[in-house]
Amino acid sequence: SYELTQSLSVSVALGQTARIPCGGNNIGSKNVHWYQQKPGQAPVLVIYRDRNRPSGIPERFSGSNSGNTATLTISRAQAGDEADFYCQVWDSSTVVFGGGTKLTVL
Amino acid sequence: EVQLVQSGAEVKKPGESLKISCKGSGYNFTSYWIGWVRQMPGKGLEWMGIIYPGDSDTKYSPSFQGQVTISADKSISTAYLHWSSLKASDTAMYYCARHGSEMATPGNFWGQGTLVTVSS
Repeated sequence: SYELTQSLSVSVALGQTARIPCGGNNIGSKNVHWYQQKPGQAPVLVIYRDRNRPSGIPERFSGSNSGNTATLTISRAQAGDEADFYCQVWDSSTVVFGGGTKLTVL
Repeated sequence: EVQLVQSGAEVKKPGESLKISCKGSGYNFTSYWIGWVRQMPGKGLEWMGIIYPGDSDTKYSPSFQGQVTISADKSISTAYLHWSSLKASDTAMYYCARHGSEMATPGNFWGQGTLVTVSS
């Protein structure tokens, strides 16, 4: 079965750029979606199909996908961006989630 | 406005049955896939399965096939997740999420979650 690999944690200084990678075999050939989950809340879709932002998601959130790595980039990181982030793809009619990355804003 | 409203928290004993619900509003319920996701305490998201309420076409994660049943009643715009015999390891938060009109799309609207606690 297909697997997605995420770092357990990423730290970023306030106002700097955070990059959260998501690894998978030839993930560049798949559509990658990203979710943000803050403590005690339901997940929220922040990027769909690699690089598209849903309505209401700040332009500071962007995505890319090539080769074996997809990346969620958060520019000008704010304290309110602290959360768990999950990448997701579809494979053989099933959803696959990455294990999640905890973003800490220092 | 698209909304998914889930049923309230449940406390059950091992071996009991349970059905939790997810009511959709603000859109044509029969035309969009609805998925279910488990989140065990302190852990990540696990996909359980998905249903198309229009014709009840259902797909399950291999990890959850045979362990739960996903269904939908389009007359009341509600999807369900059912256990026939709960285990302590079913203790978790469960989310429903609306996907697109095609199955292989992201979950762009989520319910608030239903906390299920299974304890003797």
